[in-house]
Amino acid sequence: GAVVSQHPSRVICKSGTSVKIECRSLDFQATTMFWYRQFPKKSLMLMATSNEGSKATYEQGVEKDKFLINHASLTLSTLTVTSAHPEDSSFYICSAREGLDYEQFFGPGTRLTVL
Amino acid sequence: SQQGEEDPQALSIQEGENATMNCSYKTSINNLQWYRQNSGRGLVHLILIRSNEREKHSGRLRVTLDTSKKSSSLLITASRAADTASYFCATVFRRGAQKLVFGQGTRLTINP
Repeated sequence: GAVVSQHPSRVICKSGTSVKIECRSLDFQATTMFWYRQFPKKSLMLMATSNEGSKATYEQGVEKDKFLINHASLTLSTLTVTSAHPEDSSFYICSAREGLDYEQFFGPGTRLTVL
Repeated sequence: SQQGEEDPQALSIQEGENATMNCSYKTSINNLQWYRQNSGRGLVHLILIRSNEREKHSGRLRVTLDTSKKSSSLLITASRAADTASYFCATVFRRGAQKLVFGQGTRLTINP
């Protein structure tokens, strides 16, 4: 299947700093990318949907100013957690798909720990 | 809530037995997908079944879809210890932004 990478795989930061997570589709062009958050032993919660070249659509309850999403190209989307707090500590997973009714491929996830 | 519901939440069986997990959803779907996740890792796509399909096979996996009951099942035959993982169903709804919404998942443990 198609490959989606995430970088970094693990990051530890101090409270108040910003962290950027990259998501790349390696062998296909992703018109749409998604960002999910997953707490331990819980399911994935969709945070936002981003289409290349347009603003991301955030799910209800997700602060757009806190979680900045940029989908600058068909192979790259970034999630920036601004002014991170310990409660932002979580497993962040991105996914990408080539188009509607296509399979959605997931990155390996980024574990964020905010001290 | 649009999220699917899965049952059981946890399933523990002996190696070699079959494992069946169920997923229900509430509104009309475009397709339904099953994923696997090992602890602390990313998701692995298993099978996509479209709304006009009733059954699909992939190796030891069999997925059924009953749109009249708004439910799907994932059967893993001849289970192996390596099948131990969490399994999630996810639906793409017919209306809206075509986003993938995940169920709560089933934690499957295969005992050697």
